[in-house]
Amino acid sequence: DVKVTQSSRYLVKRTGEKVFLECVQDMDHENMFWYRQDPGLGLRLIYFSYDVKMKEKGDIPEGYSVSREKKERFSLILESASTNQTSMYLCASSLLGPGYGYTFGSGTRLTVV
Amino acid sequence: DAKTTQPPSMDCAEGRAANLPCNHSTISGNEYVYWYRQIHSQGPQYIIHGLKNNETNEMASLIITEDRKSSTLILPHATLRDTAVYYCIVKGSGNTPLVFGKGTRLSVIA
Repeated sequence: DVKVTQSSRYLVKRTGEKVFLECVQDMDHENMFWYRQDPGLGLRLIYFSYDVKMKEKGDIPEGYSVSREKKERFSLILESASTNQTSMYLCASSLLGPGYGYTFGSGTRLTVV
Repeated sequence: DAKTTQPPSMDCAEGRAANLPCNHSTISGNEYVYWYRQIHSQGPQYIIHGLKNNETNEMASLIITEDRKSSTLILPHATLRDTAVYYCIVKGSGNTPLVFGKGTRLSVIA
C-alpha cells in the first residue's frame, strides 16, 4: 500500500527553536506538498515541489522554508518557531500531471510554547 | 482554477445513499473535478475524480452534469465511518496544487 510518512504525530517546541518536519513517500511521486490546517481556516498550502531541489511558494510561505534533496523526502523547516505556527501540518505527494490524486500523511500536530 | 460551492453540512441515515452536491459554474473545459474526504484528525483521503464522464470506483460514484457546472458525489450505502468533511475541488490540467475550500461536513446517523 502506498504511503506518506510524517516523522512525528505530535511535537512540542519552544518559541525561537528551529524545527524540522520530515515527510517521506515510497511511491516515486514527483510532486510533494506541505499544508497546514487550522480551525476555521481549512487547509492552506505552504510550499510544494515538482522535483528534487525544486520548490515553489504556496499561499503562506512566510516563516517557513523547505528542502528536497532526494525525491522521496520533503522537509519543512520553521526557521524560528513562533506560537502562531502552532497547527496541524500535513504532507502530501502525487504523480506529475493531471488526473492524479494526492496521498496525504497522517499529519504532525505541532505546538509551539 | 474554478471556485466550488458546497453546502456546509448534511445528514444521512446509515445504509442510505449519501448524495453530496457541488456547484462549479465557472469550470472550464480542461478542468477536472476532484473529491476528497477528511475524517477527524486524519489527513485528507482521495476519493474520485472526473473530467466529463461519470465515474465509479469502490468508494463512490461521481455524476457530472452535461454542462459540467455541477456534480454530485454518491456514497451508495453510507456507514458511520463515512462521517467526514468532503471536499469538492476543481483543478486544471497543469501542475498547480489543489486548493481546499471548507467542504461539506457529512454526518451519518445510526
